[in-house]
Amino acid sequence: AQKITQTQPGMFVQEKEAVTLDCTYDTSDPSYGLFWYKQPSSGEMIFLIYQGSYDQQNATEGRYSLNFQKARKSANLVISASQLGDSAMYFCAMREPGNQFYFGTGTSLTVIP
Amino acid sequence: EPEVTQTPSHQVTQMGQEVILRCVPISNHLYFYWYRQILGQKVEFLVSFYNNEISEKSEIFDDQFSVERPDGSNFTLKIRSTKLEDSAMYFCASSDRTLLLSNQPQHFGDGTRLSIL
Repeated sequence: AQKITQTQPGMFVQEKEAVTLDCTYDTSDPSYGLFWYKQPSSGEMIFLIYQGSYDQQNATEGRYSLNFQKARKSANLVISASQLGDSAMYFCAMREPGNQFYFGTGTSLTVIP
Repeated sequence: EPEVTQTPSHQVTQMGQEVILRCVPISNHLYFYWYRQILGQKVEFLVSFYNNEISEKSEIFDDQFSVERPDGSNFTLKIRSTKLEDSAMYFCASSDRTLLLSNQPQHFGDGTRLSIL
């Protein structure tokens, strides 16, 4: 089974609108961390936001927030007030105890002016 | 802000040749990683390295691959006898966490694009 599933290969959003990028995960370990990374066309990986499995509140970082639904094993990224510079690939990732990250297949986000 | 730096940014190599990809992790970080991303596909974990030894490796990281921290700053990935399917973007990452679960993200370098001809 896939550890991380991102079911939206491509998404479009109007500038200034909010968009939700889906991520579901699979683990039997009670301790894990969930991360979102942005990969612009230039290729680098940029850390956006983190959610720990024991965190009671949803993580927020500026325009990014993580809609964490533990029972559903989902960790959706919400980007508010989309900007043209938000156009990129977005990867959801999970770390279980240990030093290995599991990445999803990514969602390509295009912000339309 | 400190960065992970990778060199070269693009490496072109003949099939069958050996290639060494270089990384300089963030100076106070203790854990180092290599990932690869075949064009248009997801990022795949290769190996993690701590205290001068491999701590975890994936199925992809077979005998063709090796890692080394030859001095206090560099972290290298060597690919022996390269194959066409080794063509990918290779990312180095580092983190300053212990083995306990932490909220510290891995900091990625900008990647080395490896092209095997």
